[in-house]
Amino acid sequence: QVQLVESGGGVVQPGRSLRLSCAASGFTFSSYGMHWVRQAPGKGLEWMATISYDGSYKYYADSVKGRFTISRDNSKNTLYLQMNSLRTEDTAVYYCAKDPAICSAGTCYNWFDPWGQGTLVTVSS
Amino acid sequence: DIQMTQSPSSLSASVGDRVTITCRASQSISSYLNWYQQKPGKAPKLLIYAASSLQSGVPSRFSGSGSGTDLTLTISSLQPEDFATYYCQQTYNIPPTFGQGTKLEVK
Repeated sequence: QVQLVESGGGVVQPGRSLRLSCAASGFTFSSYGMHWVRQAPGKGLEWMATISYDGSYKYYADSVKGRFTISRDNSKNTLYLQMNSLRTEDTAVYYCAKDPAICSAGTCYNWFDPWGQGTLVTVSS
Repeated sequence: DIQMTQSPSSLSASVGDRVTITCRASQSISSYLNWYQQKPGKAPKLLIYAASSLQSGVPSRFSGSGSGTDLTLTISSLQPEDFATYYCQQTYNIPPTFGQGTKLEVK
């Protein structure tokens, strides 16, 4: 079955860096776009970044542009999120998600499914 | 960015009730709307994609409708396992944005 497993979270001081990983299995990883979404404690869902199936397109939320980098290694079936210059407001559970996307006649519908279990990042001095 | 506003933000209901949650977009999003369910401490789970398509394995009491700026999620007969928080999400353009969530609680 399709499975996504995040790792790499932890406690980090403001200004430091952290790299999250998302190990994928059960599907052809190299054929699908992927996303990172975060959820601050007690808050809603916030999209962070998207990468195309081959890594050629990347998109970021304004709140992390220039600080976070999404990447993937299709040979390792793994998605990454490099987080630099971390701030206290980056404290959240970070989820990775697959984008099944259905395209027809030049129109694509996108959604996030499935999601990993999440990894908690706490930015605190 | 497209703003997504869900109503209500919270809702108290009983098992067997019919429940409707509305998602309003700040501009037309056609049918580029998804619905997710999230239980405490768990990852979100996809219920409905493309406004009205039921994800495989999701009970048929869940349905989605609408297009344009006003879209809805309906649960036809609430079951005990349906008490959770529900989010809408537009994927009409980037950034994909979520509603603030609707917390469905036991009355």
